[in-house]
Amino acid sequence: AQKITQTQPGMFVQEKEAVTLDCTYDTSDQSYGLFWYKQPSSGEMIFLIYQGSYDEQNATEGRYSLNFQKARKSANLVISASQLGDSAMYFCAMREYTGGFKTIFGAGTRLFVKA
Amino acid sequence: GAVVSQHPSWVICKSGTSVKIECRSLDFQATTMFWYRQFPKQSLMLMATSNEGSKATYEQGVEKDKFLINHASLTLSTLTVTSAHPEDSSFYICSAMDSNQPQHFGDGTRLSIL
Repeated sequence: AQKITQTQPGMFVQEKEAVTLDCTYDTSDQSYGLFWYKQPSSGEMIFLIYQGSYDEQNATEGRYSLNFQKARKSANLVISASQLGDSAMYFCAMREYTGGFKTIFGAGTRLFVKA
Repeated sequence: GAVVSQHPSWVICKSGTSVKIECRSLDFQATTMFWYRQFPKQSLMLMATSNEGSKATYEQGVEKDKFLINHASLTLSTLTVTSAHPEDSSFYICSAMDSNQPQHFGDGTRLSIL
């Protein structure tokens, strides 16, 4: 069963505008972690932001913020003031703490930033 | 920040040869390392999880005799693709973590089998 769902295969955003990338997840664990990674065309995976299931406040890292809605099991990534260099593939991931810290990834969303 | 080094970044070899990929955590001790495979325009597929000093745990459908994983120290894990064939061509990425920290990824290895 799909545990991480990213419903937007591709997104366009105008430079300097904000964009939200959607992510929903499914787990029966009470303790888990949610991550967002960026993968540019060169292939490396770049860690962006982390949200723990017990964290009451939404995580923020610079221009990245995670809109965590636990009851809805969603963990959307918000990128503010988009830059051309933000064009990349973005993956939402979840780590469940039962079964050994395994992290699974969503299908990804390709973001295109227009000048 | 934490750095994971993966080597080589690109391999082209003949069918039937074995290929070894190294993954090193440079500035932290990685209690757990992960190996992923990524096909073009697809997500990362977890192949196996390895803890230092113990046998790797393979995901369903991944042939452990085909993809040998060794995690001999807290800073080094290797993936050996044995008797590689064209269908093994892919992008392989390792990641490492220490306890409950975000995983840090290597830059990946593009493997092409001719």
